[in-house]
This record gives sequence, structure tokens and C-alpha cells, in this order.
Amino acid sequence: SQTIHQWPATLVQPVGSPLSLECTVEGTSNPNLYWYRQAAGRGLQLLFYSVGIGQISSEVPQNLSASRPQDRQFILSSKKLLLSDSGFYLCAWRQGSSNTIYFGEGSWLTVV
Amino acid sequence: GNSVTQMEGPVTLSEEAFLTINCTYTATGYPSLFWYVQYPGEGLQLLLKATKADDKGSNKGFEATYRKETTSFHLEKGSVQVSDSAVYFCALGGLGTNAGKSTFGDGTTLTVKP
Repeated sequence: SQTIHQWPATLVQPVGSPLSLECTVEGTSNPNLYWYRQAAGRGLQLLFYSVGIGQISSEVPQNLSASRPQDRQFILSSKKLLLSDSGFYLCAWRQGSSNTIYFGEGSWLTVV
Repeated sequence: GNSVTQMEGPVTLSEEAFLTINCTYTATGYPSLFWYVQYPGEGLQLLLKATKADDKGSNKGFEATYRKETTSFHLEKGSVQVSDSAVYFCALGGLGTNAGKSTFGDGTTLTVKP
């Protein structure tokens, strides 16, 4: 069966520091991968999605970037965090033939 | 473009009460529809889905029917439990070149009291 994991689960970072959140999917190949952000008390915002290695689409202009160095690995990064980057970040995947999206456990980021 | 409108929360119910969370959508074509549940501090879990008109998705006592005529996908449960307390998200799947870009509602927080 397929599984998705992301880490770290919780992160407290100072303003101006870098960020790296990592996500891996197991049990499938060539998945579509996604990064969402959920601000406190609000819905989901799609940040990035990827249909293959090295292929990244950005949905909203922001202080973050994403990379896909391997087929089942998706990384969310920032060079300098802002206070407004705080939130709950969710990695997700989808198999190409399906439109059902499955989510990871989420990562809480607090920028102080 | 596509959009999803959910009933605003929070919703507070007593245990064993009947639950309805309304969800309506706007979309071109006939997208798949989903309900996800998010328990405190966790990611979203797929609760149920329906892929075409008049389909009924069901899981863990929850049900939702894909109503094309009213563009709705309301979530229902006959008797809620304290453990159902969570945030519920309605979503519609993308179509064509946007197949993977689901559109989510803002979520409805449900609190069930014993």
C-alpha cells in the first residue's frame, strides 16, 4: 500500500532563517506531488505541484520554493522565513490516473 | 473557475444528534466530489467520495450524495459521537489538465459534546 510521510512534524524558526520541509511517498511511482498551506482557522491553499522529477509549478507568488530531486521526494524550502510563513504545511500525492489526493501528517511551522 | 462553498462553522452538537454539513460547488463539467476530515493536529484524511451524479459515498456512518441538479454534496451522519469532533472539508477534483488540482472549501469545525 502507499504511504506518505513528511517531516519535521513541528518547527519553530526565527525570522530570516532558512526552511526545509521534506516529504516522501512510498509504494507508488511517478506520483503527482503537492504542497499545501493551511493558515490558522482557514482552508487549504495550493502552493506547488509537481508532475515529475525537476518539474515544479508554483500556484502563488511567495517566499517559498519547492524541489523534486527524486521521483518520490518533494521538498519545500525558503532562504529567509517571514512571520507570515507560519502555518500548517501539508504534502499530498495523487496517482496520475486518479483525481483523489492523499495527504501527509502535516508540519507545523511557527516563525518567531 | 471551480469553487466550493461550505456551511460556516463552528457546529456544536450533542452526542447522538443528526449531522448535516452543507456543501455546494461551482464547476465546469462533472468533477468528482470529496469529503476530507482533519482531526486536531493531523493531516487530512479522505472520508468519502463520489465520482458521478447520484453516486452516494459512505464511510464510518457518514454519507453524501452527489446532486447534480442542486450542485451539492452535503455530508450527513445519523448519530454523531464525541470522536467525530474534527474539521470537515468538502472538495472537488479538477478535470482535464487540472485533474490533480482539487478545490477545497474553507472547512467546517464540528464539536460533539457528551
